[in-house]
Parts: sequence; C-alpha cells; structure tokens
Amino acid sequence: NAGVTQTPKFQVLKTGQSMTLQCAQDMNHEYMSWYRQDPGMGLRLIHYSVGAGITDQGEVPNGYNVSRSTTEDFPLRLLSAAPSQTSVYFCASTGGGQGDTEAFFGQGTRLTVV
Amino acid sequence: DAKTTQPPSMDCAEGRAANLPCNHSTISGNEYVYWYRQIHSQGPQYIIHGLKNNETNEMASLIITEDRKSSTLILPHATLRDTAVYYCIVSPRGGGSEKLVFGKGTKLTVNP
Repeated sequence: NAGVTQTPKFQVLKTGQSMTLQCAQDMNHEYMSWYRQDPGMGLRLIHYSVGAGITDQGEVPNGYNVSRSTTEDFPLRLLSAAPSQTSVYFCASTGGGQGDTEAFFGQGTRLTVV
Repeated sequence: DAKTTQPPSMDCAEGRAANLPCNHSTISGNEYVYWYRQIHSQGPQYIIHGLKNNETNEMASLIITEDRKSSTLILPHATLRDTAVYYCIVSPRGGGSEKLVFGKGTKLTVNP
C-alpha cells in the first residue's frame, strides 16, 4: 500500500490564481480530511469527508472547496489564492466507523502564494 | 482549542528514556488519549492511544493516571531519529481524523 499520497509536494502561486491539491489513499478508508499548518503551529482542519459524496467544513474553510466523488480521492481547491494561504497542507485518512481513530497522513504540499 | 497541555520543549540524551507529559484534566469518559509525532515537518505519525489502562507497542508506552487527568508517553531508548514534535490529543474513539485537534505539542530533542 502507498498509504496517503499528496501531489504536488511544492507549489508557488501568484495571488488570484486557482489550483487543486490532490490527495489519494489506497486503504479503502471512509474518512478523509485536509489540514493546514502554519509555522510553529499545530494543524488546523479545513474540510473533511465521511464518505463519497459527503463533505463538511472544519475550523478554517474559507477560500477552499472540496468534493469527494470516489472513496480514494479528496482534492482540495483553492479558488483565488491569497498570501494568507501560504502554508503546508496535509491530507489524512482513517477507517472511520466505530474502529480506531488512527489517522494516516500524507507527506504534505508546501504552498507559497506571492 | 486543544484540550491538552504539554511543555513546549524537552531534551533527552540518546539511549535514555524520554518521558513526555500531558495534562488533560477535562477529559470526558468516552475520550481516548492519542499520541502523534511529526518529524521535521513531515506528515504526523500515529504512535499509540489508550483509554484508561497502560498501553505498550513497538514504538512506545503510554501511562495514564488513575483519574485520567494526565498521561505520559515513554520512549524507552530514545534515538536521534526520535527528535520530533509530539502531540497529545484527546478524542472520542471512532470517526475520522476530523476529531483530532492538534495543539502546539512538545518539541523533543534527542542529543548524542
């Protein structure tokens, strides 16, 4: 298993540009989430999904959209990039249900908005 | 807001045990204690979790006090590769990672 795969690893955007961060998992996990991590801080939840076709907002959803058309993929869209969105973005997945909440994280996408 | 309190930093000598404390005085009956670590800005890695009994796996041991208001993560023989930020999180079992609320954690530095 590859686990959770994020692409790209690095990205530089100009203010106002849009882009999609990709996240894929091959563990057949129901739950997937997106976090951002700013320097010296813990992770903050952006959006999450409890299954295909179901998404919900987390702590810091503004400026981001998500969709979950398949179990495997959970892309994060930046609609109009702003310097405040410069951050490291992590995708995570868990099995969900009544099982353990052990989360598997991707290696992150480092985004700089200039 | 994170429901745990951890020291911002700790040091440990290589080969010695690293004992990382966590205070979670407002933990509720259905909440577990989870520990994750993040090595050099990589994605967080699950270490261990427990409810009220002490737990041990190949990575670490988790000691939870009888009143469940605090816990200690023990790395029995710390190596340089254990240098990382360690996060203590209380969360109900089940569901997804959206239930994990990350604080700033403890930066553990293992010294040669």
